[in-house]
Amino acid sequence: EAGVVQSPRYKIIEKKQPVAFWCNPISGHNTLYWYLQNLGQGPELLIRYENEEAVDDSQLPKDRFSAERLKGVDSTLKIQPAELGDSAVYLCASSLGGLAENTGELFFGEGSRLTVL
Amino acid sequence: RKEVEQDPGPFNVPEGATVAFNCTYSNSASQSFFWYRQDCRKEPKLLMSVYSSGNEDGRFTAQLNRASQYISLLIRDSKLSDSATYLCVVNIGGSSNTGKLIFGQGTTLQVKP
Repeated sequence: EAGVVQSPRYKIIEKKQPVAFWCNPISGHNTLYWYLQNLGQGPELLIRYENEEAVDDSQLPKDRFSAERLKGVDSTLKIQPAELGDSAVYLCASSLGGLAENTGELFFGEGSRLTVL
Repeated sequence: RKEVEQDPGPFNVPEGATVAFNCTYSNSASQSFFWYRQDCRKEPKLLMSVYSSGNEDGRFTAQLNRASQYISLLIRDSKLSDSATYLCVVNIGGSSNTGKLIFGQGTTLQVKP
């Protein structure tokens, strides 16, 4: 069975340019997360979806970041405009029925590594 | 104060050594605790849950101390393949639907031959 798929794996852009990341979760997983991971740090939650509803976006910098999960399956995360400090790995994760908080079973994709020049 | 704190290390140990990592959390209402493993430039993966009574999985033992609000991970007989970053993860919300998993910054382990 396929895991969480993310693209692109790597992206290099100049500051002020837009960038978008795509995520396809594990089939049947209705809960989807976007995390940001800086070098030497743990993942930090940006947004959590239950199906197509964003149930926790309190950590998403809404002035420049946006996310959508229109059909409750795959999701996109967009940054516009990108800043130097946005250079990081953007991780998508999924879980079954929101159980990850009790079971710890959060399945991550390989991440999209962003470099902003 | 960070919600989940870990000593980033690195911990450099010889093969066969026993090594222990600690992690402290600030929210006393936290209910669920986990250890994740992250290899260099890879995604984090669940290593094991941490139960109140403590639990063991082969060479790995996880323990929880609610009174002092810390969890620990003990690795016995370290292997070269154990080299990775170990992330402490805490559900600060208390229930499956309203909780939030908070990751520590990770502790890096390097096992040397």
